[in-house]
Amino acid sequence: QVQLQVSGPGLVRPSETLSLTCTVSGASVRSPTHYWSWIRQSPGKGLEWIGYVYYTGSTNYNPSLKSRVTISVDLSTNQFSLNLSSMTTADTAVYFCARDLFSSGWKGLDSWGQGTLVTVSP
Amino acid sequence: IQMTQSPSSVSASVGDRVTITCRASQGISTWLVWYQQKPGEAPKLLVSTASSLQSGVPSRFSGGGSGTDFTLTISSLQPEDFATYFCQQTNMFPFTFGPGTKVDIK
Repeated sequence: QVQLQVSGPGLVRPSETLSLTCTVSGASVRSPTHYWSWIRQSPGKGLEWIGYVYYTGSTNYNPSLKSRVTISVDLSTNQFSLNLSSMTTADTAVYFCARDLFSSGWKGLDSWGQGTLVTVSP
Repeated sequence: IQMTQSPSSVSASVGDRVTITCRASQGISTWLVWYQQKPGEAPKLLVSTASSLQSGVPSRFSGGGSGTDFTLTISSLQPEDFATYFCQQTNMFPFTFGPGTKVDIK
């Protein structure tokens, strides 16, 4: 059974960088058919796709966040991470990590972490 | 690609048939996914490629449509189905979600 666990701070100061890690168990981040993704959810913006990383290190980001986002993968620890710089109150949201299936096309986020609330406040 | 859903909320009773509509701002073939989310939980994948039910999802759920217009139907609403349902297009990056449809108890 695949499990994803998000870890990281719940409070970030404005202008700082958010760093979150997703630990994967029951599956390998080396899977050739899965992409490891970050999604956030806020009352104002709903669900927003942030981006993904592939086990090769290849990434794809939402253009609305691209200048501030870095997603990376660590094969040795079976983890992947999100860094979001220059945080503002607009970035307050629940952040989820998830696994995206690619098999002759994108088939959806089939496993999700529990989500972590990140609040941006002085 | 902008995604819209209707209605934004629906009140229904156990046993009712409920249909939720999702519309894409441009054609996405059948690259449409449906999720169910309960309060305090992560979304759960129900349907991929518009109509393919995920393993373990009850057969009372069905998805349909192609191009720009899609539906998710619950044929006979059960107590555990009261939740919010989201569509997501996976045709073009950035992937985008609909605003959600909340199904609550009448």
